[in-house]
Amino acid sequence: AQSVTQLGSHVSVSEGALVLLRCNYSSSVPPYLFWYVQYPNQGLQLLLKYTSAATLVKGINGFEAEFKKSETSFHLTKPSAHMRDAAEYFCAVSGASGTYKYIFGTGTRLKVLA
Amino acid sequence: EAQVTQNPRYLITVTGKKLTVTCSQNMNHEYMSWYRQDPGLGLRQIYYSMNVEVTDKGDVPEGYKVSRKEKRNFPLILESPSPNQTSLYFCASSTAVVSGRYTGELFFGEGSRLTVL
Repeated sequence: AQSVTQLGSHVSVSEGALVLLRCNYSSSVPPYLFWYVQYPNQGLQLLLKYTSAATLVKGINGFEAEFKKSETSFHLTKPSAHMRDAAEYFCAVSGASGTYKYIFGTGTRLKVLA
Repeated sequence: EAQVTQNPRYLITVTGKKLTVTCSQNMNHEYMSWYRQDPGLGLRQIYYSMNVEVTDKGDVPEGYKVSRKEKRNFPLILESPSPNQTSLYFCASSTAVVSGRYTGELFFGEGSRLTVL
């Protein structure tokens, strides 16, 4: 079975500071992993994805994530936070073959302080 | 513009009054799905459809129905809404499904906020 755990439902950082949002996964098959962002009153949009190619994945808006199999982690980072990064972030794992599932974490709300 | 369109965006209704939330995509995607988003629970899949006339239950299908008569449309039907169906609903579509697994992006609508009194 697959699952995703996001540590910290709320994270606050100062503008210009490092953003680190944590995601750990559990998967019985090699995982496909995703980060989505949800801005207020909008749907989710893809930030980046890992599908077994390079372990360091670069996404949009300066975000990146590193797949670490030994730690079963896929943490999202950005070197310097901007006010526009304030949003809710969801980690997701693609389910096992034939399940047609995207399993989402419970989300982390990022607040950026001026 | 490639998009997934949901209607209505906001709805307040009363217990037992049937309602339909429409979803349409213009990307020729075969796969479509409905999710509900609740605080602290993330997104949970209600139903999905691999293609026209092919639908299946997700994790929380109770109280919902769907139909897929056309490739572009995937309406969500609440035959007799109850207060525990008060939630934010998202429709999503994708084309990148290989051997039953997502390999690509889900495209989401902007959401439909439903309140059942």
